Amino acid sequence: EIVMTQSPATLSVFPGERATLSCRASQSVRTNLAWYQQKPGQAPRLLIYGASTRATGIPARFSGSGSGTEFTLTISSLQSEDVAVYYCQQFNDWPPLTFGGGTKVEIK
Amino acid sequence: DVQLVESGGGLIQPGGSLRLSCAASGLTVSSNYLTWVRQAPGKGLEWVSLIYSDGSTYYADSVKGQFTISRDNSKNMVYLQMNSLRAEDTAVYYCVRLQFDPSGFYFYFDYWGQGTLVAVSS
Repeated sequence: EIVMTQSPATLSVFPGERATLSCRASQSVRTNLAWYQQKPGQAPRLLIYGASTRATGIPARFSGSGSGTEFTLTISSLQSEDVAVYYCQQFNDWPPLTFGGGTKVEIK
Repeated sequence: DVQLVESGGGLIQPGGSLRLSCAASGLTVSSNYLTWVRQAPGKGLEWVSLIYSDGSTYYADSVKGQFTISRDNSKNMVYLQMNSLRAEDTAVYYCVRLQFDPSGFYFYFDYWGQGTLVAVSS
C-alpha cells in the first residue's frame, strides 16, 4: 500500500499571500496524483489531477507540481474562500486508493 | 448534470447491518467506475470500495469480508451493504465517480455525493 503524507497539518497564511502545501508518497506514483479541497460541511471537490492539470472551473491561482514521490499544491494568492482542508490522493497503484491526511489552510 | 445522492444512513447498534444506496443521474452506473469513500468525524478521507463497469469489485482491507458493493443497472443505483458494524465504521459515506482523462492514464474522483452519516453506537 502506498502511504501518502501531507505537511504541514495546518497552514496559516495572510490574505493575498502564497500558500504551499506538500504531499509525499511512500513510493513513486509518477504523476498519478490528485488534489481535493474540502470546505466545512461539504463534500470534497476536485482541484488538480495528473499532478498539475486543473479540473474544470478551478481558478488559476491553484497550481500543482511534482512527480515521483514529492508533490506541491500552491495557492498563489490566498482568498478567504480558500479556507478549507486539502487532500492529495494517489492513483498509480490501486487498490487501495490512498489519501493523505490533509492540510488545513487558515487565514492569518 | 451528474448527481449522486446517497441515502440509507442512520444510527445502528454495534453488530448490526445497514445498506447504503446511491442514486445516480446524468451518468449510467453500468458504464462507470463508482466508489464509496468515508470520513470519520473530524478525520480524513478513506477509500472503502470500488465497482468497475465490468462488475469487478474491490475493497479496502479494513472492510473486506464485511462490506459488499453492488449495483442495479435497471435502477441506476449503487449500493453498499455493511454488516457486523463496529464503532470505527462511524463516518459520513460518500458515493463518488472514478473518472479518467481522455488519455486513459490519469484518474481522479470528479463527482461526489453529499454523503450519508452512519453512526454505530449502543
